Amino acid sequence: EADIYQTPRYLVIGTGKKITLECSQTMGHDKMYWYQQDPGMELHLIHYSYGVNSTEKGDLSSESTVSRIRTEHFPLTLESARPSHTSQYLCASSAGAGIWVTEAFFGQGTRLTVV
Amino acid sequence: EDQVTQSPEALRLQEGESSSLNCSYTVSGLRGLFWYRQDPGKGPEFLFTLYSAGEEKEKERLKATLTKKESFLHITAPKPEDSATYLCAVQSNSGGYQKVTFGTGTKLQVIP
Repeated sequence: EADIYQTPRYLVIGTGKKITLECSQTMGHDKMYWYQQDPGMELHLIHYSYGVNSTEKGDLSSESTVSRIRTEHFPLTLESARPSHTSQYLCASSAGAGIWVTEAFFGQGTRLTVV
Repeated sequence: EDQVTQSPEALRLQEGESSSLNCSYTVSGLRGLFWYRQDPGKGPEFLFTLYSAGEEKEKERLKATLTKKESFLHITAPKPEDSATYLCAVQSNSGGYQKVTFGTGTKLQVIP
């Protein structure tokens, strides 16, 4: 079973609040990712990291930011939440040397609702 | 631009009724095709990676196959616990190494 954890699992928050979604993995993977998934829709990559102090934006434009200070930790922050940010956020990690992606291990997800 | 299309969108089977899920893809140089299973309210769980046409992989009642344009996930004698959404994803040479394109999935329901 994959050892990647996301907290909180569910979050309901008011507009304008700052939030941080936590993601930690104990597998020692260098590569970590944040995806956004709406019901019935495909996963969209919003951020990724290939190691400590490495972060890049993904395909889907997002107002969130990420940091990677430790290998095991990859938090996502929204400075000012809006109703349009309501979605499921999935964190993932993958192993493998080199530039190509191997299979990813996903956390349970955080269901965010902004009211 | 890479594209992944999964069909059908939803599939309802009787327990023991075998069937196949389809994943059609258009990519510039396939690096790998992934199958995942996703249960409601949870993150996807990795099932298989296929790298080249003709490759097949099996796990319990599931068998994944790959051609140059599509992949099939065959489910033999499914059980109710196989009910889930099955996602297909591809990585290609285009768009940089971080780009993995997901399909929207096939929602499978197995009726006892």
